[in-house]
Amino acid sequence: DQQVKQNSPSLSVQEGRISILNCDYTNSMFDYFLWYKKYPAEGPTFLISISSIKDKNEDGRFTVFLNKSAKHLSLHIVPSQPGDSAVYFCAARGNTDKLIFGTGTRLQVFP
Amino acid sequence: NAGVMQNPRHLVRRRGQEARLRCSPMKGHSHVYWYRQLPEEGLKFMVYLQKENIIDESGMPKERFSAEFPKEGPSILRIQQVVRGDSAAYFCASSPRTGQGVSYNSPLHFGNGTRLTVT
Repeated sequence: DQQVKQNSPSLSVQEGRISILNCDYTNSMFDYFLWYKKYPAEGPTFLISISSIKDKNEDGRFTVFLNKSAKHLSLHIVPSQPGDSAVYFCAARGNTDKLIFGTGTRLQVFP
Repeated sequence: NAGVMQNPRHLVRRRGQEARLRCSPMKGHSHVYWYRQLPEEGLKFMVYLQKENIIDESGMPKERFSAEFPKEGPSILRIQQVVRGDSAAYFCASSPRTGQGVSYNSPLHFGNGTRLTVT
């Protein structure tokens, strides 16, 4: 029962362009959403989050959009840089303390 | 990932041996979470603990796995009689939350994980 889904296992984007990573969820009790970035052999690093009372949160080159009616969130990275190449996980939290993670999207930014 | 310390980074065990994974949370954090990542998969929740108390162990396999977070010292994830299917990366995370409730707009901070290989 995958409550958080990232349907694109990989994404390739040219440097300087926009990267858009998508995430869908099924549990309407989720009200806090996060994006993590993970490099090989390291732990996930928190990137940006959004609570359900908002539909957009921005931090530098990173913006997260939340569409509650569609149960969909997305992460926009603009402009994309080679150092952004990593696996990106979306995660959600509801009425329990644990985070539920998606399966990840591997982003490759090429010159 | 600075702050959450996990050791060892790599652990090799033969089938049937015990594996002990340790996690020290960030300073000031009283809650610890364990996650497992199998090859080519996402992170799966295992267990959530605070000092001397297991809050949620709904993701723990029913047998061979146990976790503790004593009053003093690190949190320990113990896997008894390991099998090849236990080979994975095990990540610990910590949180500054000090009690149960709905005020939780804070992320989890992860360590760099322990990579367990069962031969």
